[in-house]
Amino acid sequence: KAGVTQTPRYLIKTRGQQVTLSCSPISGHRSVSWYQQTPGQGLQFLFEYFSETQRNKGNFPGRFSGRQFSNSRSEMNVSTLELGDSALYLCASSLPGGRGGEQYFGPGTRLTVT
Amino acid sequence: AQTVTQSQPEMSVQEAETVTLSCTYDTSENNYYLFWYKQPPSRQMILVIRQEAYKQQNATENRFSVNFQKAAKSFSLKISDSQLGDTAMYFCAFNTNAGKSTFGDGTTLTVKP
Repeated sequence: KAGVTQTPRYLIKTRGQQVTLSCSPISGHRSVSWYQQTPGQGLQFLFEYFSETQRNKGNFPGRFSGRQFSNSRSEMNVSTLELGDSALYLCASSLPGGRGGEQYFGPGTRLTVT
Repeated sequence: AQTVTQSQPEMSVQEAETVTLSCTYDTSENNYYLFWYKQPPSRQMILVIRQEAYKQQNATENRFSVNFQKAAKSFSLKISDSQLGDTAMYFCAFNTNAGKSTFGDGTTLTVKP
């Protein structure tokens, strides 16, 4: 079974631009979560989508948004990029109700904002 | 709100020796799950071991085992017979059966030959 995939793997954007990141979960996984990983803040939860609905949301500004499609693929969008948005963005999928919230992570998208 | 604390930013161990990574957490929940994840340099994060809070028995996975002290809210990871491939950042995580995990800041473990 294929793992979680994320595209693109690397991205360089300019301050003020917007960016869209994509995540394809493991087949059969309907829950997709997004995390931001930075050296200073560690792993911070952004949001979780389940059955095309946002189920949980972290403490990030409204510039960060996401959505999930009927095939469980998810996208994350960041508008009006700031230098502080430079980070590794990780996507994780899980079976809702299965194995206690165990999450399977993708390789991440490394976003650099200049 | 749940918090997870890993008090050891960096640790090192000689190959074949044993090392213990510490983790404490704070929650008012009674049913939850705890995990240790491993993130090797420039590689994908993978699950090392999981523990259900309602189980008193400590989880083990080959060379990896945990010491789960629910009353003390402590969840340490012991790696026996350390191997060079164990070099990675290790994250302790807390989850209540939803797609939202709370992570500690991580411990960078270096296994020395």
